[in-house]
Amino acid sequence: DVKVTQSSRYLVKRTGEKVFLECVQDMDHENMFWYRQDPGLGLRLIYFSYDVKMKEKGDIPEGYSVSREKKERFSLILESASTNQTSMYLCASSVRAPNTEAFFGQGTRLTVV
Amino acid sequence: AQKVTQAQTEISVVEKEDVTLDCVYETRDTTYYLFWYKQPPSGELVFLIRRNSFDEQNEISGRYSWNFQKSTSSFNFTITASQVVDSAVYFCALSGNNQGGKLIFGQGTELSVKP
Repeated sequence: DVKVTQSSRYLVKRTGEKVFLECVQDMDHENMFWYRQDPGLGLRLIYFSYDVKMKEKGDIPEGYSVSREKKERFSLILESASTNQTSMYLCASSVRAPNTEAFFGQGTRLTVV
Repeated sequence: AQKVTQAQTEISVVEKEDVTLDCVYETRDTTYYLFWYKQPPSGELVFLIRRNSFDEQNEISGRYSWNFQKSTSSFNFTITASQVVDSAVYFCALSGNNQGGKLIFGQGTELSVKP
């Protein structure tokens, strides 16, 4: 059974903290993604990685960075968390082809107080 | 630029009603791929279907059917005889042939099926 696992389901952090969201996939996929989901806005792409150590900015990268040191792991980093980063964060992976579906993790609901 | 629009934010129906979820897209790619995902209350997005831009054949899978019309840039999803278990948020998504697998999502439609 294919799996994308996010390290936390719920997270509460304080403003200004550095926050790490971890994602691991066991399907040997080249692509990994971080999306942010907000009501009325759908899923918006934060960052995308198509190989180890490779990354591309998505539509809303400001305030975020990513790390992909191993193929199976993709980390999202909030350098200095702010209240407007309170959201649901979804990690996904796929093979490197445009015609294949992505597989999603269960999501991390982050609250910044 | 690529864009997906799901104009219906919320839909509420009574069980056994048919319901159609609309999806309109924009892309400059001549080859592209369209997807529908379901997000139940548990949160994990579940893939439902993929359609290639060069294949306009409609598809039916049980109570689900999809209508792809290139002329109107639409990829609508119909649930026949809806059930309470169909209650979820449904997302339409687009991937261009030169986008390396990046998915652009619509805003989502929250479907509530009442008994």
